[in-house]
Amino acid sequence: DTGVSQNPRHKITKRGQNVTFRCDPISEHNRLYWYRQTLGQGPEFLTYFQNEAQLEKSRLLSDRFSAERPKGSFSTLEIQRTEQGDSAMYLCASSLGLAGHYEQYFGPGTRLTVT
Amino acid sequence: DAKTTQPNSMESNEEEPVHLPCNHSTISGTDYIHWYRQLPSQGPEYVIHGLTSNVNNRMASLAIAEDRKSSTLILHRATLRDAAVYYCILPSGGYQKVTFGTGTKLQVIP
Repeated sequence: DTGVSQNPRHKITKRGQNVTFRCDPISEHNRLYWYRQTLGQGPEFLTYFQNEAQLEKSRLLSDRFSAERPKGSFSTLEIQRTEQGDSAMYLCASSLGLAGHYEQYFGPGTRLTVT
Repeated sequence: DAKTTQPNSMESNEEEPVHLPCNHSTISGTDYIHWYRQLPSQGPEYVIHGLTSNVNNRMASLAIAEDRKSSTLILHRATLRDAAVYYCILPSGGYQKVTFGTGTKLQVIP
């Protein structure tokens, strides 16, 4: 078990470009979460998947954001037409999603800088 | 999620116990209390969780008030590696949506 991995670790992009991040959860985990974190703040929930189904989506997730988990394993988060306000750390977490085992295991994050 | 209140920052001397408080006066009967910590430049890390009874694991202890309106995370001997932001959260609805606050930044003084 190598834990949750995220790629890339860092991404610098110009305003208006599209970016895509990947998250590989712990293999037996059914649930996968995406968060955004800015400096000095705690992680903000963006969305979560139960297997391949996207069951909850924050109002923070504008139309420019989309997330997928096509086979219930890895997930991607795409941001279209990036804006400077999108600069943040994007965190992925996974959990077993069973009663008594909801604790989340986080990846190292992808730091996005929009110039 | 029910709201939690934590001090913005705390200090501890190395090798001394640390008690990190969390108030959650609007907690419901089915809300678990979870603690995570985030070391600098890393993603958050699960620490411990509990419902009513005090809990111990290799990382920490969790003391829950009898009325469940507050809890305390106890680090028995703080080390420099424990310097982090500690979050107390009460995810509801089967952990479908999780709200982290700003947490408590713990500074450990050598």
